[in-house]
Formats: sequence, structure tokens, C-alpha cells
Amino acid sequence: GQQVMQIPQYQHVQEGEDFTTYCNSSTTLSNIQWYKQRPGGHPVFLIQLVKSGEVKKQKRLTFQFGEAKKNSSLHITATQTTDVGTYFCAGNNFNKFYFGSGTKLNVKP
Amino acid sequence: NAGVTQTPKFQVLKTGQSMTLQCAQDMNHNSMYWYRQDPGMGLRLIYYSASEGTTDKGEVPNGYNVSRLNKREFSLRLESAAPSQTSVYFCASSETSRVNTEAFFGQGTRLTVV
Repeated sequence: GQQVMQIPQYQHVQEGEDFTTYCNSSTTLSNIQWYKQRPGGHPVFLIQLVKSGEVKKQKRLTFQFGEAKKNSSLHITATQTTDVGTYFCAGNNFNKFYFGSGTKLNVKP
Repeated sequence: NAGVTQTPKFQVLKTGQSMTLQCAQDMNHNSMYWYRQDPGMGLRLIYYSASEGTTDKGEVPNGYNVSRLNKREFSLRLESAAPSQTSVYFCASSETSRVNTEAFFGQGTRLTVV
């Protein structure tokens, strides 16, 4: 069945340091999405990547989709305390979203 | 525009009791989903509905039933609750006919089965 693996599970950084989370799928995906969940909240959509090799940026966040459409990454430059939360990738296969286990980011001021 | 509304927000059940989690969306989306979230496990898909009257099993459907009553509503039923079903449940919807298929989530239902 569909599996989406995400690493690392936790990341603690000092404010100003960079952060990266990686996502790998066992199958080729039609697209991949990224979500952020603040503590006690619900997942909120960040971005969708569709094309092989696609790179998108949102301010300090850079998202990449692998050439084979099986892996993706989210990189945050110069983290801030507002970046705290859990970041999930979600692989889309036939309109079903399969979420990775998430990376919980803690940022120390 | 409320988005996705889930009720209740919190619930405590005794083992063997039944209950229905309600979900409604006002964005005219065709697809709706139920997920459960457990620590370290991310969000796991329980059931999915591509349109009114259709449902499909996800990763962890055992112990659950769903009903897509109309385009707006998608309910999740636990017939005989078990402690293993203690979790946070999220309903979501998306418009899968468009290029951008982002999912919108409800606020979640925190369920404890004792």
C-alpha cells in the first residue's frame, strides 16, 4: 500500500539556524503537498508541488519535488520562533492524501 | 464562511459505546476525508469520499463506518468504541477537480475511550 516516510521525527534548533525535513514515497505521486500544524491546532496547507524537479519558494521556505516524483523536501532558512510546529508532507495518489509522520520543529529563542 | 466544521470537539466514551462524529463543509467540495492522528504516527486516512454517495477505505478503516449523506456532510461512526480508538480525529475536504487540491481541515475531535 501507499507509504510516505518523513524524517527526522523531531528537530530542535536555535533561532536563526536552518531546518530541513525530508519526505519519501514508496510510489510515484501525482503531486505532493506540505502542511503545518501548530501545537493544539489543525493542519494548514502550505504549498503543492506537481511537476518533476519543481522548486517553489515562500519567503524563507523552499520546497522541492524530486525528479522521480517520489521524494520532497522543505527547507527553512534562518528559523524564527513563529516556525514552531509540526510539518507534514502529504502524497496525493488518485485524490487520496497519504500523510508522512511529520517533523516536529522546536525553535529556541 | 465557516469552512469545515466538526462536532463534538471533545468526547469521552466507555468501551463498547457507540457514537457518531459529524463533519460539514460549506465550500462545495466534492471530496471529504476522515483522518486520525496519534503521537508519532502523523495523520492516517480512515475513509475517503470522492462524491456524494461514494466512500472508500483508507489505511485504517477497521472499527469505523462512514456516511456521505449529501455533498456537505460526511459522518464517522464508531459502533463499539475501543481504547485503541483514543485519538484526535480530523475531517477534511478538498476540490479534486481543480489543479490545486489543497485539503481544508476541521478543528478536530479529541476522543478518549476508557
